[in-house]
Amino acid sequence: EPEVTQTPSHQVTQMGQEVILRCVPISNHLYFYWYRQILGQKVEFLVSFYNNEISEKSEIFDDQFSVERPDGSNFTLKIRSTKLEDSAMYFCASSELEGNEQYFGPGTRLTVT
Amino acid sequence: AQSVTQPDIHITVSEGASLELRCNYSYGATPYLFWYVQSPGQGLQLLLKYFSGDTLVQGIKGFEAEFKRSQSSFNLRKPSVHWSDAAEYFCAVLPMEYGNKLVFGAGTILRVKS
Repeated sequence: EPEVTQTPSHQVTQMGQEVILRCVPISNHLYFYWYRQILGQKVEFLVSFYNNEISEKSEIFDDQFSVERPDGSNFTLKIRSTKLEDSAMYFCASSELEGNEQYFGPGTRLTVT
Repeated sequence: AQSVTQPDIHITVSEGASLELRCNYSYGATPYLFWYVQSPGQGLQLLLKYFSGDTLVQGIKGFEAEFKRSQSSFNLRKPSVHWSDAAEYFCAVLPMEYGNKLVFGAGTILRVKS
């Protein structure tokens, strides 16, 4: 069964460093998403991406964040200068069409020290 | 304000007992509704979804959920819980008039005692 994959599973970085989280969505899906879950808090939407551009973003997704689909399979989330409060589990998701169910990857746990 | 509420933070049930996890939403129009499960260290797995039609939907692992428009609820049920069901369960809604983003409840942690 097709699934969303994410790498790395765990990333530790120092405050101020750049990180890139990688995702491979399900191959025939057209919509891609990033969510995050700070420990003990709700899963929160960050951004959605379609047709090589951002279709929606939350207020969390400020200028420190960017997304890219560098090739036909990968979907990346870049945090330009990490802050302590960026420590969270980051989930990538994809859906075949708008409004369809979203399938999630296993997540990347980001720890900023 | 628009929100998704899971009123129970923790629930403990005995193995073999029935289970009901509650979810309420507050959106003007009926959103699309989902339940996800997250086992420790794992991602979010889709259990079931409701878009329209029959208000009782079946999902994987023996779960079902019932949509009740009058109560703005989408409660998850299982007639007989197994120890492997211990996990965190998230209700999520896709309020289509607000875009394509899922809005999650806070989650309910299920503990199963033998």
